[in-house]
Amino acid sequence: KNEVEQSPQNLTAQEGEFITINCSYSVGISALHWLQQHPGGGIVSLFMLSSGKKKHGRLIATINIQEKHSSLHITASHPRDSAVYICAVTTGNQFYFGTGTSLTVIP
Amino acid sequence: KAGVTQTPRYLIKTRGQQVTLSCSPISGHRSVSWYQQTPGQGLQFLFEYFSETQRNKGNFPGRFSGRQFSNSRSEMNVSTLELGDSALYLCASSLALGSGGAYNEQFFGPGTRLTVL
Repeated sequence: KNEVEQSPQNLTAQEGEFITINCSYSVGISALHWLQQHPGGGIVSLFMLSSGKKKHGRLIATINIQEKHSSLHITASHPRDSAVYICAVTTGNQFYFGTGTSLTVIP
Repeated sequence: KAGVTQTPRYLIKTRGQQVTLSCSPISGHRSVSWYQQTPGQGLQFLFEYFSETQRNKGNFPGRFSGRQFSNSRSEMNVSTLELGDSALYLCASSLALGSGGAYNEQFFGPGTRLTVL
């Protein structure tokens, strides 16, 4: 049983396209995190949110607590956005991760 | 400000041995969490330490343990290594201004890649 489900698993886009990655979860959460992992392993936290919407540059994250769903949007995608995007949720004392979405942006 | 550092970066051990990994958090961060990442299971939460106390623990056997020192540096130990322990071990620190590291933005280190032969 996976507490966090992501879709799609793999995504290839042309440079400039609008990209959406989805995350659904089945547990009550305190917060939801979007993480970015580049080849080589390093992980960067993109967003932490518990309601509404957040925006950093070309990245937008939304969450719907009632539907237990979050989306990560990338506007005007660029080859440097190529990475694995991981959704994670925190409950009272646990951290659950999705399996990640591998994004490749082609010039 | 220096980021999270982990040592060593790469490690090769044989079955049955034990290993200790080290993590130095960002200055001022009091919470350190450890994660295991494998191709098959993805990222999994191991445990979280705050003020030298283990506050949260994932679903891993007792062979996996850790500790945190008064300067917030943390170590993770795996005893009686098994082939399946081969993984990237990541630590992350956070300010933990609230009730725990899990509620705060995580800053990840580069990881230690452990290979068990």
